[in-house]
Amino acid sequence: KNEVEQSPQNLTAQEGEFITINCSYSVGISALHWLQQHPGGGIVSLFMLSSGKKKHGRLIATINIQEKHSSLHITASHPRDSAVYICAVPPLQGAQKLVFGQGTRLTINP
Amino acid sequence: GAVVSQHPSWVICKSGTSVKIECRSLDFQATTMFWYRQFPKQSLMLMATSNEGSKATYEQGVEKDKFLINHASLTLSTLTVTSAHPEDSSFYICSAGTSGYEQYFGPGTRLTVT
Repeated sequence: KNEVEQSPQNLTAQEGEFITINCSYSVGISALHWLQQHPGGGIVSLFMLSSGKKKHGRLIATINIQEKHSSLHITASHPRDSAVYICAVPPLQGAQKLVFGQGTRLTINP
Repeated sequence: GAVVSQHPSWVICKSGTSVKIECRSLDFQATTMFWYRQFPKQSLMLMATSNEGSKATYEQGVEKDKFLINHASLTLSTLTVTSAHPEDSSFYICSAGTSGYEQYFGPGTRLTVT
């Protein structure tokens, strides 16, 4: 079974800072998901990646398959980026269902 | 982008009653739908996986007679919580998967059982 570890669990930063959230997993995967959950509860899928790097606006996700590690970066952070960021991977290679990390609670202060 | 809706967004019901939650993929066909449950400040826990036209596969520890899942079409899955109990109060989230590995999440339904 795939174990997913995120760090840090909580992160508080000032507006404008560069943010990095890390995710490590134990089993080879087909794709890794980064999700965002705002206080209201709804989940937004930010990225799905299986290799390399993806960028969307101020968000960048990278993955290193050999090291079983992914990072989510936020440039020029803003208070509206405050949310819980969750990394999710399949429990087994080729599976479609997901196992979730415990989440990183990000707070950006103005 | 792909959109998944859930209805209702929140519901309050009395103990012993049943409540149905709908999950719809609005602009794509979902080969698989997943139902998750989330308690406050905890991560999502997969309850069951459903494929259109076949019985749902439940995760260990999830009562299939209590959480009835129907996946009637490629765009609609429903979760019915039967004989609801206060301990069923939770945030229920569905996601819809395509034939690849993409998954798109619904906004969630907050259930409160009084």
